[in-house]
Amino acid sequence: GQNIDQPTEMTATEGAIVQINCTYQTSGFNGLFWYQQHAGEAPTFLSYNVLDGLEEKGRFSSFLSRSKGYSYLLLKELQMKDSASYLCAVRTRGSQGNLIFGKGTKLSVKP
Amino acid sequence: SAVISQKPSRDICQRGTSLTIQCQVDSQVTMMFWYRQQPGQSLTLIATANQGSEATYESGFVIDKFPISRPNLTFSTLTVSNMSPEDSSIYLCSVEVLRGYGYTFGSGTRLTVV
Repeated sequence: GQNIDQPTEMTATEGAIVQINCTYQTSGFNGLFWYQQHAGEAPTFLSYNVLDGLEEKGRFSSFLSRSKGYSYLLLKELQMKDSASYLCAVRTRGSQGNLIFGKGTKLSVKP
Repeated sequence: SAVISQKPSRDICQRGTSLTIQCQVDSQVTMMFWYRQQPGQSLTLIATANQGSEATYESGFVIDKFPISRPNLTFSTLTVSNMSPEDSSIYLCSVEVLRGYGYTFGSGTRLTVV
């Protein structure tokens, strides 16, 4: 079966750093994606990892360890607008296969 | 990245009726994906739509309930048939245009069945 786990909710303070973890057990692996979703809106793409290591994009970084089935999304210098759900998703097959999503982590940023 | 126009953005429908959702992409794509997001939940794949062939449905979803059309490489429709309140959800289409740049989603259709 396919299983993607991430914490349900997290709270952090404006200006701080937060790390959202994701573990996965899937029948195949062809890339891990992180998405941000504000309430009532569609998901927007944040990052993509297919090889082990860290990918950095401004305030956002994502890490992948394929041997451990583990990824995290790191958000630095948190802003109030970062309050949203963060979705971890795995592409299990093919170069254009669909994504399997975790249940999402609802992040609340407090002043 | 691709731009997807999805419509309608929302609808309130009577039990037993059907609703067709449309997605138009501004570039040609091989596969289009249809997802459902129930209230407070994450996204669940309904089916993968390929141009020129029948859609591939995930476990728990059947063609009679969710017929899909894919007449060309830029357009697809999903119909939610014989609706019940349990079908109330957000429906999203998605494509991947450039490898490594993620999948783009349509703006979603918020369906309420009464």
